[in-house]
Amino acid sequence: GQQVQQSPTSLVLQEGENAELQCNFSTSLNSMQWFYQRPGGSLISVFYNPSGTKQSGRLTSTTVIKERRSSLHISSSQITDSGTYLCAMERHMGYKLTFGTGTSLLVDP
Amino acid sequence: DMKVTQMPRYLIKRMGENVLLECGQDMSHETMYWYRQDPGLGLQLIYISYDVDSNSEGDIPKGYRVSRKKREHFSLILDSAKTNQTSVYFCASSLGGQGNSDYTFGSGTRLLVI
Repeated sequence: GQQVQQSPTSLVLQEGENAELQCNFSTSLNSMQWFYQRPGGSLISVFYNPSGTKQSGRLTSTTVIKERRSSLHISSSQITDSGTYLCAMERHMGYKLTFGTGTSLLVDP
Repeated sequence: DMKVTQMPRYLIKRMGENVLLECGQDMSHETMYWYRQDPGLGLQLIYISYDVDSNSEGDIPKGYRVSRKKREHFSLILDSAKTNQTSVYFCASSLGGQGNSDYTFGSGTRLLVI
């Protein structure tokens, strides 16, 4: 089964609203990363967060290894936040990332 | 400007033809990767290369092979392409080592096999 599950699958917000994206993993892991992808575009690393809470501007990531979950909080969403957010876990053995299927975010004006 | 460059951006091939996807990076990263991305499946790892001529299968290597003769260049080869290999292919590179955060992805190659 899917080792990394993301929710929700899609999300529509009005500009200014907050968003909470969730990532749950079924196996042990070494670290967790969040990536952002524009439609048809490359992936850009947003957070490398092996544990605890990290903040960068309007984005906050919290990873709780024991509970096998990570979240990405977007505050005061902007139209330019629209795109797909992917979480990926790095497994203990090797340097491999296992990706979730993503949350598609649309921020309307 | 540190980047991963993929060529070509778009490609249409007939079933049974050979396909070569090329990837280059200018960061002297040891580790390079090939992923494919399909709707509903996310990104799946095809192959990983730890350095020149040091390649390892990922999660879905069947139907693919790779070549890495120079550290900055990593190729993905499809011998006799199949329609189910229609996908978006991403190359990535990283410094290597567990727990590193320095992944850089290319812009992808959109392959259509007809």
